[in-house]
Amino acid sequence: QLQLQESGPRLVKPSETLSLTCTVSGGSISSGSYYWGWIRQPPGKGLQWIGTIYYSGSTYYNPSLKSRVTISVDTSKNQFSLKLSSVTAADTAVYYCARPIYDFKDAFDIWGQGTMVTVSS
Amino acid sequence: DIQMTQSPSSLSASVGDRVTITCRASQSISSYLNWYQQKPGKDPKLLIYVASSLQSGVPSRFSGSGSGTDFTLTISSLQPEDFATYYCQQSYSTPLTFGGGTRVEIK
Repeated sequence: QLQLQESGPRLVKPSETLSLTCTVSGGSISSGSYYWGWIRQPPGKGLQWIGTIYYSGSTYYNPSLKSRVTISVDTSKNQFSLKLSSVTAADTAVYYCARPIYDFKDAFDIWGQGTMVTVSS
Repeated sequence: DIQMTQSPSSLSASVGDRVTITCRASQSISSYLNWYQQKPGKDPKLLIYVASSLQSGVPSRFSGSGSGTDFTLTISSLQPEDFATYYCQQSYSTPLTFGGGTRVEIK
């Protein structure tokens, strides 16, 4: 059974870079030609798609965040990562990694439990 | 960006009630509409994809319909475990966007 687990610092200072990793277990990140995504949810608010990466490295980003976002994949570690630069308090959110059913625009059928990241000095 | 508007933003219902939630897209998205259920402190759970396909393991009391710009999620007989927030999401084009959510509360 495929499982996703986010990890990374829970507290990030303003103007610094938020870095999170999603570890995939129960399967290979490069098998089945799957995509892998990041979604976030500010406290008490709705969901925002950040971006998606193919196992080979092709990426799709939300234009509203594109200038600050980098998503990468490390198949040797069965992980994919998110970097968000120049963070502000508005980037405080629960960050989820998730897998679309198949295509990069598909519904997300497998989610990590999420990790709360606070931007504060 | 395609804007997704859900209504109502919240509703109160009793166990056994039939509940309908609406999602409207700002432009046609064909049938590329998904529904999720989220309970407090938990990750979203996929219920319905491409408007009307029931995700594996989801009870049959959940159903979805619609195409173009107007979609509905129906819970035929509300159960205690269904009290949660529901989100729609379009997968027609990037950026993928979600509705603002509908909170289903106990009456």
